[in-house]
Amino acid sequence: DAGITQSPRHKVTETGTPVTLRCHQTENHRYMYWYRQDPGHGLRLIHYSYGVKDTDKGEVSDGYSVSRSKTEDFLLTLESATSSQTSVYFCAISESRQTTNYGYTFGSGTRLTVV
Amino acid sequence: AQKITQTQPGMFVQEKEAVTLDCTYDTSDQSYGLFWYKQPSSGEMIFLIYQGSYDEQNATEGRYSLNFQKARKSANLVISASQLGDSAMYFCAMRGGSSASKIIFGSGTRLSIRP
Repeated sequence: DAGITQSPRHKVTETGTPVTLRCHQTENHRYMYWYRQDPGHGLRLIHYSYGVKDTDKGEVSDGYSVSRSKTEDFLLTLESATSSQTSVYFCAISESRQTTNYGYTFGSGTRLTVV
Repeated sequence: AQKITQTQPGMFVQEKEAVTLDCTYDTSDQSYGLFWYKQPSSGEMIFLIYQGSYDEQNATEGRYSLNFQKARKSANLVISASQLGDSAMYFCAMRGGSSASKIIFGSGTRLSIRP
């Protein structure tokens, strides 16, 4: 069930280059999130969106921007990639924020290496 | 501020034994939800179990149960009769009522099952 897909799955890029990661969902969920996963830190929220053109910052948003022009797509952009942004990036979607019992559905992750 | 703490970076358990993964949380919200996710070596994030703050009974899902002790702000995951396939990274997570659009994660526990 590929209700959420991330692309690319793997990417190697050079320091200073711009990079865009894409998250695409077919579930029509309102909420979309970008997390990064690093050893010892678990998953940390970068940015999230609560609707088309509505986005907000998470705890580690510096160096990242996002856009959501359609319900189904949430883009994460590294304007000028740095080695500290080498990480695994996960997109997640959620149906509702009205109650607390809605968990996430995660994408498969994007492994980004900045050299 | 909300926080999730997992104090066991790694654990080794003999196959068929029960295992408890510790999780403590901090929140000032009255309404919140607690989650456990499994991440096998393949990298995907798999939802295991959910506990609501107002649920009086501990949540159970097959071999997984959540030992919820509200006064101690503890939400330990118990896996009964562990199997080799349980070897994975496990994340405790929380979604609070005041910021119900976001889930925060602990740093994770790597569980290894010995045959």
